[in-house]
Amino acid sequence: QKEVEQNSGPLSVPEGAIASLNCTYSDRVSQSFFWYRQYSGKSPELIMSIYSNGDKEDGRFTAQLNKASQYVSLLIRDSQPSDSATYLCAVNERGNKLVFGAGTILRVKS
Amino acid sequence: NAGVTQTPKFQVLKTGQSMTLQCAQDMNHNSMYWYRQDPGMGLRLIYYSASEGTTDKGEVPNGYNVSRLNKREFSLRLESAAPSQTSVYFCASSGRRNTEAFFGQGTRLTVV
Repeated sequence: QKEVEQNSGPLSVPEGAIASLNCTYSDRVSQSFFWYRQYSGKSPELIMSIYSNGDKEDGRFTAQLNKASQYVSLLIRDSQPSDSATYLCAVNERGNKLVFGAGTILRVKS
Repeated sequence: NAGVTQTPKFQVLKTGQSMTLQCAQDMNHNSMYWYRQDPGMGLRLIYYSASEGTTDKGEVPNGYNVSRLNKREFSLRLESAAPSQTSVYFCASSGRRNTEAFFGQGTRLTVV
């Protein structure tokens, strides 16, 4: 079992719709969780971090964490073509080991 | 305001050659990481250094060695390059424990 699992996609949504990205992780003691966005040929950039159960909102982005279910999600409201990218879920495991999922490709169609 | 700097940006090696990828950060971060990225496989952790003076293996350490030279610098060495090590390599660093990581611009390595 991979430590961090994501659906590889591609996930296709129309412009203006909500995109929902999901991630599960295996290390129960993980304390911090991140979503990164990566455009083709570029470095990953942080878009959201979440540390506590529940929702965290930042503009059009909402991260959701459920530690009991070992599940993290990212919602993107009012999706734009510029949101088309690969979204990487990352989990900080014990010993400050930062592990990434394989990423979900998001395509927003105008 | 450099952040995380990797050198070189591009490199072509012949099978069996050795090389060192350099990484330096100017954010006074404790933790540093080396990842490789292959199509469809996300970022796979090669080695990491949670603090100066410590290094630990990640998911794919075979064929690589690392050195945490000081708090700023974390190098990745390929002793005998193989075509399977053709990849994009990213260095990252993070500050306080459990905080987010910041990435360098990547090194595109081709082994022929």
